[in-house]
Amino acid sequence: AQKITQTQPGMFVQEKEAVTLDCTYDTSDPSYGLFWYKQPSSGEMIFLIYQGSYDQQNATEGRYSLNFQKARKSANLVISASQLGDSAMYFCAMREGTSGSARQLTFGSGTQLTVLP
Amino acid sequence: GAVVSQHPSRVICKSGTSVKIECRSLDFQATTMFWYRQFPKQSLMLMATSNEGSKATYEQGVEKDKFLINHASLTLSTLTVTSAHPEDSSFYICSAKSQGSPSTDTQYFGPGTRLTVL
Repeated sequence: AQKITQTQPGMFVQEKEAVTLDCTYDTSDPSYGLFWYKQPSSGEMIFLIYQGSYDQQNATEGRYSLNFQKARKSANLVISASQLGDSAMYFCAMREGTSGSARQLTFGSGTQLTVLP
Repeated sequence: GAVVSQHPSRVICKSGTSVKIECRSLDFQATTMFWYRQFPKQSLMLMATSNEGSKATYEQGVEKDKFLINHASLTLSTLTVTSAHPEDSSFYICSAKSQGSPSTDTQYFGPGTRLTVL
């Protein structure tokens, strides 16, 4: 079974509008971390936001917020006030186990976001 | 903070040659580094986990004799693709785990190395 599922291969949003990128995950580990990365056409992976499984509040970082619904096992990324520079591939990732462990990340298949002028 | 560099950014080589890719954490110490491989339009697939001073842990299906990993210091890990063939052409990305990052275990990625084997 897929550990990280991103069901939207591609998304379009008008500049200045908000957009939600979906991510669902599957784990039986009570301790885990969820990450979102942005990958522009240059290839670099840019860390955006992190949510720990025990965090009580949804994570926010500037225009990025994570809609964490633990019971549904979803961790959707919300980008507010979209900018043309937001056009990129977005990956959801999960680390299972405690934060101190040297566990690798498991990535979803990604969502290609295109911001329209 | 938390900058990771990779060198070279792009390499083209002949089939049968070996290619070394360096991954450096510039402003933090990384006891663990990860090597990923990404084919066009696909997600990142973990190849191996590199721990400083010990042997790397390879994922299932990854040939350890073909993809040699050395993590000799807390700021440097190298991936050597030995006897490269065209099917090894891919985008290779490393990441380093920073214990001092805000989330305590965020991985920061290098800019990647695009390998083309002719």
